[in-house]
Amino acid sequence: DAGITQSPRHKVTETGTPVTLRCHQTENHRYMYWYRQDPGHGLRLIHYSYGVKDTDKGEVSDGYSVSRSKTEDFLLTLESATSSQTSVYFCAISVGQANQPQHFGDGTRLSIL
Amino acid sequence: QQQVKQSPQSLIVQKGGISIINCAYENTAFDYFPWYQQFPGKGPALLIAIRPDVSEKKEGRFTISFNKSAKQFSLHIMDSQPGDSATYFCAASNGQNFVFGPGTRLSVLP
Repeated sequence: DAGITQSPRHKVTETGTPVTLRCHQTENHRYMYWYRQDPGHGLRLIHYSYGVKDTDKGEVSDGYSVSRSKTEDFLLTLESATSSQTSVYFCAISVGQANQPQHFGDGTRLSIL
Repeated sequence: QQQVKQSPQSLIVQKGGISIINCAYENTAFDYFPWYQQFPGKGPALLIAIRPDVSEKKEGRFTISFNKSAKQFSLHIMDSQPGDSATYFCAASNGQNFVFGPGTRLSVLP
């Protein structure tokens, strides 16, 4: 257990509403990631962070923003949710090595109606 | 070039049998090849990983075979057990990019 907690675990919301997902880690790891998982696509990187206030875009970043004001928290925001953003979202961390996610949270299942 | 292809999409194996999942990549700059195991309702968990300087790595019942010239690598699960039933993802990284395969759903019948 790498001490990764995602909240909420499930959320249903309507198109056009803002949504924020939270990832909290207890071990002060530098590297954190947000992925989305969709059938047939595996996991695709949305955004990642190399430290406080140090974030960058991944493969599927359109429509998403992130913030990392504290080492332990990495927030993913959907400014105006769309049905195409219905997915399972995973937070991950890597220990000591960038771009090699090693530990994942248990995910947030987000449904946008 | 950043894609990782994975097959089969699903696999059914009898208890005690060998499960084999294959992956292929194009980008020759990839130098780290991990496999992840994911149970329903859980996040992926790193299972085993290999670097291209070796052709095989074994950890318990799990073995990665790596063929650098063919740009392919595979996961072998020996003596497959019902508890191995999960979705397996291969991935590839070159330190800058990290790409997952689409996954294989393994079912091991008792």
